[in-house]
Amino acid sequence: IAGITQAPTSQILAAGRRMTLRCTQDMRHNAMYWYRQDLGLGLRLIHYSNTAGTTGKGEVPDGYSVSRANTDDFPLTLASAVPSQTSVYFCASSQSTGGAGANVLTFGAGSRLTVL
Amino acid sequence: GQNIDQPTEMTATEGAIVQINCTYQTSGFNGLFWYQQHAGEAPTFLSYNVLDGLEEKGRFSSFLSRSKGYSYLLLKELQMKDSASYLCAVREWIGDDKIIFGKGTRLHILP
Repeated sequence: IAGITQAPTSQILAAGRRMTLRCTQDMRHNAMYWYRQDLGLGLRLIHYSNTAGTTGKGEVPDGYSVSRANTDDFPLTLASAVPSQTSVYFCASSQSTGGAGANVLTFGAGSRLTVL
Repeated sequence: GQNIDQPTEMTATEGAIVQINCTYQTSGFNGLFWYQQHAGEAPTFLSYNVLDGLEEKGRFSSFLSRSKGYSYLLLKELQMKDSASYLCAVREWIGDDKIIFGKGTRLHILP
């Protein structure tokens, strides 16, 4: 593994089903983020975690949950998928939090989710 | 919260210069990023500004004015491969650290 790995790459899901998108990073980054990207709406922040054991809500958290049990993993769960959650999901991480550091985001390749 | 505005689409000619503007409003500004995203790919980092002024990196430059809540990305000597979306993102620190993106500017390069 080098960087951020997301799984699955693509998934078609029936409405009402539960789905977990996986995200793993091997850079020992403190902060991790989940974004969804929809045409015309750009990247919208769903949830984030500044450090292991903490999470926070972003711009569009409803219908999603996250956990951060350790530094490397940040799974995103859709408890009961709906068609409006059809999107491309990007996981990202950055080295540190706070201060005036660059905190450049490194992105995973994305997970394309279709809810029917 | 944040409000980040950038033009939806722009068109420029190969070899020319283009400036993509971004305005923002936030109560906890802690830096502004520009990312490039080609269709079907993940965003990649271009530049970061936290202090006022111009940052230059080869053909790309980024400018920030914190008092005006304004930034621009300047692309010189445009190449066809520069056809992509350009994303302005603001780092906000209000207790927690968040990075919020604008909707992106799709840049079309004409030969």
